[in-house]
Amino acid sequence: EVQLVESGGGLVQPGGSLRLSCSASGFTFSSYTMHWVRQAPGKGLEHVSAIRNNGGSTFYADSAKGRFSISRDDSKNTLYLQMSSLRAEDTAVYYCVRDGFDFWGQGTLVTVSS
Amino acid sequence: DVVMTQSPLSLPVSLGQPASISCRSSQSLVYSDGNTYLNWFQQRPGQSPRRLIYKVSNRDSGVPDRFSGSGSGTDFTLKISRVEAEDVGVYYCMQGTHWPPITFGQGTRLEIK
Repeated sequence: EVQLVESGGGLVQPGGSLRLSCSASGFTFSSYTMHWVRQAPGKGLEHVSAIRNNGGSTFYADSAKGRFSISRDDSKNTLYLQMSSLRAEDTAVYYCVRDGFDFWGQGTLVTVSS
Repeated sequence: DVVMTQSPLSLPVSLGQPASISCRSSQSLVYSDGNTYLNWFQQRPGQSPRRLIYKVSNRDSGVPDRFSGSGSGTDFTLKISRVEAEDVGVYYCMQGTHWPPITFGQGTRLEIK
């Protein structure tokens, strides 16, 4: 059974940093491009970042460029999103998603507030 | 970026009645391999999105056959033949043809009238 379990969310002050993790199981993690998608409270879905399998190339939404860094550890079947210089508008549930968008994690809530 | 435009944004439907959601893209979603990477998702209240339909018209495993997807090029439709109470939620279309970035429609909120 495919499972994606996010962790690392929480309350952080503006300008602060947070690292999200996504632990994957039930499939060959190293074979898949992986994505982060976020959803602000009461809003729609936004594709934030992606990393291809073999870690070769990465993508960032304009809203994340220069502040977020995506990475993966295939030996640990884990996806990461390092977020810095956080702003109030980064407040959202962050979902880890397998390529194809067939499997989503339960999401982890990031709240940026003083 | 490809813009995905859904209509309507709010869809009140009586139980047992059909429902239809439109999704239009700002450019053709036909990829060079001949596939059209247009997906539909359902997000029930308090839950993660769930993929219902992939590549325009293919239902995911476990998705009731009252859900169907159709369309081509830039115009796509999700239809529910007879709405049930469990269908309440927000529905999103998503294109994966021209990425990055992946782009989603604004979402259509389905409620029971």
